[in-house]
Amino acid sequence: DAGVIQSPRHEVTEMGQEVTLRCKPISGHDYLFWYRQTMMRGLELLIYFNNNVPIDDSGMPEDRFSAKMPNASFSTLKIQPSEPRDSAVYFCASSRTENQETQYFGPGTRLLVL
Amino acid sequence: QKEVEQDPGPLSVPEGAIVSLNCTYSNSAFQYFMWYRQYSRKGPELLMYTYSSGNKEDGRFTAQVDKSSKYISLFIRDSQPSDSATYLCAMANSGGYQKVTFGIGTKLQVIP
Repeated sequence: DAGVIQSPRHEVTEMGQEVTLRCKPISGHDYLFWYRQTMMRGLELLIYFNNNVPIDDSGMPEDRFSAKMPNASFSTLKIQPSEPRDSAVYFCASSRTENQETQYFGPGTRLLVL
Repeated sequence: QKEVEQDPGPLSVPEGAIVSLNCTYSNSAFQYFMWYRQYSRKGPELLMYTYSSGNKEDGRFTAQVDKSSKYISLFIRDSQPSDSATYLCAMANSGGYQKVTFGIGTKLQVIP
């Protein structure tokens, strides 16, 4: 299995632009998660899905952030408009169960907003 | 004060040394404790997962939880250069994904 796939791996954009991050979970995993990691705040859960349905989006920082999962093999995290403070590494992860022991992270997308 | 405190390091040790990584926390409701390893430019991977107090051993790794002191530790015996990574502690008051709180991570370098 290829693991969790994220694209792009790096993104540099200017303030105000729309950013779309993409994730393909491991086949057969019913849970999908989006995290953000910064030096100051560490790793934070933004939102997670179960069977393509958003379960908890309380970690989404603002209305500028939105996430979708149109099918079991694809999810997007969109930031519109982007701001410099959104600069971070964004991780997607997937899991077979509602247990951290079966969760696998992708390699992350490094986002820099100028 | 953050709910979970972790020294970011960096921590440098010679190969073969015993490494001790630690986190303190303030929320007495935490019952699930985890350690993740994160290599540079990679996502975190779960190393150890424990419930409540006590020790758990897996090969060269031992996780220790002291709920009375609100203190958790990860020990690495016979450290190897391949152990060089950032180690994140994490904790939660339930077994699900809601409200898992991560430490900032400690960067470890094992020098050959």
